[in-house]
Amino acid sequence: AQTVTQSQPEMSVQEAETVTLSCTYDTSESDYYLFWYKQPPSRQMILVIRQEAYKQQNATENRFSVNFQKAAKSFSLKISDSQLGDAAMYFCAYRRGRTSGTYKYIFGTGTRLKVLA
Amino acid sequence: DGGITQSPKYLFRKEGQNVTLSCEQNLNHDAMYWYRQDPGQGLRLIYYSQIVNDFQKGDIAEGYSVSREKKESFPLTVTSAQKNPTAFYLCASSTGQGDGYTFGSGTRLTVV
Repeated sequence: AQTVTQSQPEMSVQEAETVTLSCTYDTSESDYYLFWYKQPPSRQMILVIRQEAYKQQNATENRFSVNFQKAAKSFSLKISDSQLGDAAMYFCAYRRGRTSGTYKYIFGTGTRLKVLA
Repeated sequence: DGGITQSPKYLFRKEGQNVTLSCEQNLNHDAMYWYRQDPGQGLRLIYYSQIVNDFQKGDIAEGYSVSREKKESFPLTVTSAQKNPTAFYLCASSTGQGDGYTFGSGTRLTVV
């Protein structure tokens, strides 16, 4: 069975600095998707970034980028120029590929990010 | 605008009562999901449905029931068999193409 592990329950970063959140996953499949979701205090889940496993290029979205290491099964999220609005719970998620016939996602336990002014 | 709507935002349940949480989407998504989130914890899958009139149990289905009679709607009933229902419940939907979930804003259920 697939699993997703976020080993950092909490992280802190100074405003304008860079922080990296870790995520590892376990799967025997080669086709899958990985995601980072943000849950601010409002508790609304927001998709931050998405990576397709067959794409070697790391995904980027403005100040957010990932370091996808397929062989190591690692999918870390880097937040550059951190802002106060980045303070939130961040969840890593995994989904099997399109041919698997299953659409459900597996989530990690989350990392709480604090941004210090 | 397309989106996914959960109601109510807050719900109180007395011991022994069944309550139903609503989830409606107008995104034309095939798949819908219910997750439970306890304080400081991750999301645990209760039930999911990939097509109308079909649904599967997730990791913590005991004490819950669902239906999927329409593509747009996936209500969750928390039955009296669920011994610890106080939690935050999130509904989500997806196309099934791996482009990510769209989440509702959640329902906070409290047993009084």
